[in-house]
Amino acid sequence: DTAVSQTPKYLVTQMGNDKSIKCEQNLGHDTMYWYKQDSKKFLKIMFSYNNKELIINETVPNRFSPKSPDKAHLNLHINSLELGDSAVYFCASSQGTGVGYTFGSGTRLTVV
Amino acid sequence: RKEVEQDPGPFNVPEGATVAFNCTYSNSASQSFFWYRQDCRKEPKLLMSVYSSGNEDGRFTAQLNRASQYISLLIRDSKLSDSATYLCVVNKNNQGGKLIFGQGTELSVKP
Repeated sequence: DTAVSQTPKYLVTQMGNDKSIKCEQNLGHDTMYWYKQDSKKFLKIMFSYNNKELIINETVPNRFSPKSPDKAHLNLHINSLELGDSAVYFCASSQGTGVGYTFGSGTRLTVV
Repeated sequence: RKEVEQDPGPFNVPEGATVAFNCTYSNSASQSFFWYRQDCRKEPKLLMSVYSSGNEDGRFTAQLNRASQYISLLIRDSKLSDSATYLCVVNKNNQGGKLIFGQGTELSVKP
């Protein structure tokens, strides 16, 4: 059983399109995150939700909109995709703060 | 200055070698510390937490010096399977569990 699962694993799309990435965790964790890993391998937080409430919103273009229908799901919708959005997007979850995360396997987004 | 800085890589070592990674963090309010491992084209996975008293897990030893804001990871008797990128990570608990990642140090263990 996959603890944190993301879909799709790969996404290739044209500039200007709108796309969504889904994330689900079956660990019973109360906090979920989206991270972006760019071509230089830096992992940077984008958003964090605790029990469906947004608690961290880093400086991310408002073309990116997270949605958490329940505490086991955190989806990421991206409007008007740009070339610079190409990266690997990782979903993660944790139980509380001050603890390590469990990551999903990532979604490799390529915008052409 | 980056919030978490690591040794530049890559480290190329022979099997059986001992290798040490260093990391410094800038925010003295950081409260939790971790080492993660990331294999090529895979997700980061928690290797170990780092405690003030230092902790060991098999061939891996982690140390934390709060006064110097310095974290280290020592790998003894390196195996080929240790080849990966090692990420130094800190957590400021007053920021909703946000983990700050270093840029990673690549380790390549050769036969």
